[in-house]
Amino acid sequence: QSALTQPRSVSGSLGQSVTISCTGTSSDVGAYKDVSWFQHHPGKAPKLMIHDISERPSGVPARFSGSKSGNTASLTISGLQADDEGDYYCCSYAGSPYVFGTGTELTVL
Amino acid sequence: EVQLVESGGGLVQPGGSLRLSCAASGFTFTDYWMTWVRQAPGKGLEWVANIKEDGSETHYVDSVKGRFAISRDNAKNSLFLQMSSPRADDTAVYYCARIRHGYSFFDSWGQGTLVTVSS
Repeated sequence: QSALTQPRSVSGSLGQSVTISCTGTSSDVGAYKDVSWFQHHPGKAPKLMIHDISERPSGVPARFSGSKSGNTASLTISGLQADDEGDYYCCSYAGSPYVFGTGTELTVL
Repeated sequence: EVQLVESGGGLVQPGGSLRLSCAASGFTFTDYWMTWVRQAPGKGLEWVANIKEDGSETHYVDSVKGRFAISRDNAKNSLFLQMSSPRADDTAVYYCARIRHGYSFFDSWGQGTLVTVSS
């Protein structure tokens, strides 16, 4: 199972919006609603931001939203804030295994 | 409050063995599938293995099949990863995580434990 493809880095100014893509195949992202997104700061526990393509856990701001079209899922962060900086990973269920994305570093300018 | 605390990481020689532990608290451990995820230095997250609530079903990423074994002790609310014949490319921070009941996503994670495979 190959890792899902994400852009290596994205950036945006405070208050702007950014979108991070996550491209898989018809065997993972395209096949399941079980796509989630995590924010990760090195040395800390990853934090769930989105599950089931577009569902936000309690406590995650509405500025975070998710979507999917075909084999590509997307995470959009609107109204960028400084503490949104970090690494973001998508993850898809793919039958028995799970597969993560390659990771995207978000920089807030 | 859900808490997952990993332990057991350290330096291990190639071909040796190491057992990682994850102590769970703040939830009914027997209601949840559990999983191990790792992150090698400078690399992304990689799912390693998961185990059913009662331990009767396990799944592994191909690269660790036959070398690693995931298990659990429900009486002690603990998850384990037995690493046998580790290789240099198994060097990583290992995280345990909980799989949301009835779903297929990881909703709570530990802080991780570092495993370094080197002679």
